[in-house]
Amino acid sequence: EDQVTQSPEALRLQEGESSSLNCSYTVSGLRGLFWYRQDPGKGPEFLFTLYSAGEEKEKERLKATLTKKESFLHITAPKPEDSATYLCAVRWGEETSGSRLTFGEGTQLTVNP
Amino acid sequence: NAGVTQTPKFRILKIGQSMTLQCTQDMNHNYMYWYRQDPGMGLKLIYYSVGAGITDKGEVPNGYNVSRSTTEDFPLRLELAAPSQTSVYFCASSYPWDDSSPLHFGNGTRLTVT
Repeated sequence: EDQVTQSPEALRLQEGESSSLNCSYTVSGLRGLFWYRQDPGKGPEFLFTLYSAGEEKEKERLKATLTKKESFLHITAPKPEDSATYLCAVRWGEETSGSRLTFGEGTQLTVNP
Repeated sequence: NAGVTQTPKFRILKIGQSMTLQCTQDMNHNYMYWYRQDPGMGLKLIYYSVGAGITDKGEVPNGYNVSRSTTEDFPLRLELAAPSQTSVYFCASSYPWDDSSPLHFGNGTRLTVT
């Protein structure tokens, strides 16, 4: 079954304590993997797109990486303002059948001062 | 540049009532989507549209209807509301659905059906 799974469900860090969030996927024909940030009461906000294994993208304290089976969102020296839910979404499908976008359940990150 | 705007932000409905969730975007995006978000579950696609006059079902379309008369607007209609439709609804838009196009989301409508 094609699916996207994020872990852990929730993560609590101290300010400055680096860690990683995981997004694993089992889909046919990966077309792209997206990371979003969602603040309480808001819609998801786009962070990164990754297309192929080995690719990396960085933005401030965040770095996203991609392998053939999973993606990691590394958070270096996080600050309280990094607290949010992080969603990954995978666009997949063969060229002849069109593509679909499947979201993971999200990881709720809390960074304590 | 407002992006994607959804109204209302909150709504409480009684079982069997109907309502329309409004969504408008000012980015001239052809593609628009409606998702619902339930606790512990990923965003689920309800309906989408690839342009004015064209709509199609997503994963969970039952109990909903949509229309797309203009590029900017994509309202979602709930007929005969049921408790199972209690959720947070997000509208999104994008350029043509290619591999590089991220979705731009509104801030959601929180709907409770009692």
